[in-house]
Amino acid sequence: DAGVIQSPRHEVTEMGQEVTLRCKPISGHNSLFWYRQTMMRGLELLIYFNNNVPIDDSGMPEDRFSAKMPNASFSTLKIQPSEPRDSAVYFCASKEPPRQGGTGELFFGEGSRLTVL
Amino acid sequence: KNEVEQSPQNLTAQEGEFITINCSYSVGISALHWLQQHPGGGIVSLFMLSSGKKKHGRLIATINIQEKHSSLHITASHPRDSAVYICAVKGLETSGSRLTFGEGTQLTVNP
Repeated sequence: DAGVIQSPRHEVTEMGQEVTLRCKPISGHNSLFWYRQTMMRGLELLIYFNNNVPIDDSGMPEDRFSAKMPNASFSTLKIQPSEPRDSAVYFCASKEPPRQGGTGELFFGEGSRLTVL
Repeated sequence: KNEVEQSPQNLTAQEGEFITINCSYSVGISALHWLQQHPGGGIVSLFMLSSGKKKHGRLIATINIQEKHSSLHITASHPRDSAVYICAVKGLETSGSRLTFGEGTQLTVNP
């Protein structure tokens, strides 16, 4: 199993440009999460999907951020237009369906490091 | 006061030492996660537990639900254990799968 796959690993862009981050969850996992990590705020949940449906997007900072999950094997996080304060590492994680008595373990991708100049 | 507090924030140990990282939380939870983030940035889930104790290799995680406290222990520590260890909880009052994260403990194990 290749694990959660994110791309790009690193992106440097100029303020105002559109940024698209991609994630392929582990096959069979039905929940997908987008997290942002910064020095100031640590790990923050941006949005998560269950069975391709957005469940909780209360962590999405503002309208410049959008996320989609068109099918069970692919999700995107888009920032348009990007700003320097969006510079962070963005992690995608997926989770297997809950087992009896459990909540499911999270599996993280390697992260996408975004720098907006 | 953060819902999830870890201690210590930073820990330096010599190879071979027994290490304990603590996590205290203030809300009722359904599950607690311990995550490991290496200097390269990748995050790995070490444990997910809701009661008792789990062991994987040299790592042991315990949780006391009544005291709202969990510990992560590393026996016979090794320089490759150097990483940030993050505690995260799933609150009973939290909808869906939202986790609350601690700020992490930076562990450095010197040879």
